[in-house]
Amino acid sequence: GQQVMQIPQYQHVQEGEDFTTYCNSSTTLSNIQWYKQRPGGHPVFLIQLVKSGEVKKQKRLTFQFGEAKKNSSLHITATQTTDVGTYFCAGRGLGYDMRFGAGTRLTVKP
Amino acid sequence: DAMVIQNPRYQVTQFGKPVTLSCSQTLNHNVMYWYQQKSSQAPKLLFHYYDKDFNNEADTPDNFQSRRPNTSFCFLDIRSPGLGDTAMYLCATSRAGQGGHEQYFGPGTRLTVT
Repeated sequence: GQQVMQIPQYQHVQEGEDFTTYCNSSTTLSNIQWYKQRPGGHPVFLIQLVKSGEVKKQKRLTFQFGEAKKNSSLHITATQTTDVGTYFCAGRGLGYDMRFGAGTRLTVKP
Repeated sequence: DAMVIQNPRYQVTQFGKPVTLSCSQTLNHNVMYWYQQKSSQAPKLLFHYYDKDFNNEADTPDNFQSRRPNTSFCFLDIRSPGLGDTAMYLCATSRAGQGGHEQYFGPGTRLTVT
């Protein structure tokens, strides 16, 4: 079945440094979504990528979807303490089920 | 405000004692999901409904059942909870449509099995 791998599992950065998390699927995806989960909270939708090679930006966040629609990345420029949390990618295959990656837990040292 | 509501927020049950978690939504979304999330792990999809069409994940234990009596409500029944079922249970909704759909998550029910 479809599997979504995500690395790294943890990332600790100094405030102001950049951060990147990567997702890779074993199968071609219809779309990929990114979520952020703060400690003690629930996942909150960030963005959805649908097209091959798509790149979207939200302020300091840049999201990419690979040409083969099997991989994706989230890059944060100049991290801030408010960026702390776990970032999950979630890939959708042919149906309406979503497969979450393991998540990358980001901590930011002020 | 349109939202996804889960009740209760916290539930403690004894080993083997049936428990029901509820989810309601005011978004009028046609897809509803149940996820199990254990500490420091990713949400694991248990099943989802597309309207009344139930879709069970292959590795979801038979101990977990679900009901969706109408568009707004969805229930997760755990018939005989084991200690390993202690987790956060997240309900999510989405609107099925061309190109995919974002999921709106409820706050979750934290279940502890003693």
